[in-house]
Amino acid sequence: DIQMTQSPSSLSASVGDRVTITCRASQGISDYLAWYQQKPGKVPNLLIYAASTLQSGVPSRFSGSGSGTDFTLTISSLQPEDVATYYCQRYNSAPLTFGGGTKVEIK
Amino acid sequence: EVQLVESGGGLVQPGGSLRLSCAVSGFTFRSYSMNWVRLAPGKGLEWISYISSGSSNIFYADSVKGRFTLSRDNAKNSLHLQMNSLRDEDTAVYYCARGRRHCSATDCYWFDAIDIWGQGTMVTVSS
Repeated sequence: DIQMTQSPSSLSASVGDRVTITCRASQGISDYLAWYQQKPGKVPNLLIYAASTLQSGVPSRFSGSGSGTDFTLTISSLQPEDVATYYCQRYNSAPLTFGGGTKVEIK
Repeated sequence: EVQLVESGGGLVQPGGSLRLSCAVSGFTFRSYSMNWVRLAPGKGLEWISYISSGSSNIFYADSVKGRFTLSRDNAKNSLHLQMNSLRDEDTAVYYCARGRRHCSATDCYWFDAIDIWGQGTMVTVSS
């Protein structure tokens, strides 16, 4: 099965900082990659699909890039409401594996 | 309003069974693939099962294969996950979740990002 490795597992940044989270697939997955945000005690929320397409209603400070095996989620200017755990997920074939998650905190 | 409402969670002993259900409203259920995803305490999200819009294709994570069975009733707008031989490591919040793309045919077999999630139902496996 194709494994998804996220890094870092956690980060702390200041409000207004640019934040980057990476996700690496153990084999090429084209652009079948989604990013989710899960705030504490809340349901996951789709941010990005097809590696770089912003889901409707998601703030434009979130962006995604990459194709093949290496992908990036960027928050251009971190806001207090962005405190959450972020997950990548591949969906090119079953199993639809999630990455291990990246916990984002405010410094 | 689009809603996915899970039910059926609870406390069960190891080796026991539970049947989770997901009641859907606010969209044409038969036109979307569906998934179950779980979040165990202190762990990350884990995808566990997928069913295509017309039920022709069903997939499971290795961790639940042979123990869990996913089905859907498009006439009743409902999704069901039969969980047998439950283990301690199955303890988690279980989310019913919709695949993003609309299917215009009788059955569409594709995987997609998950755009709608239920609130989750807690399953605790413990003696």
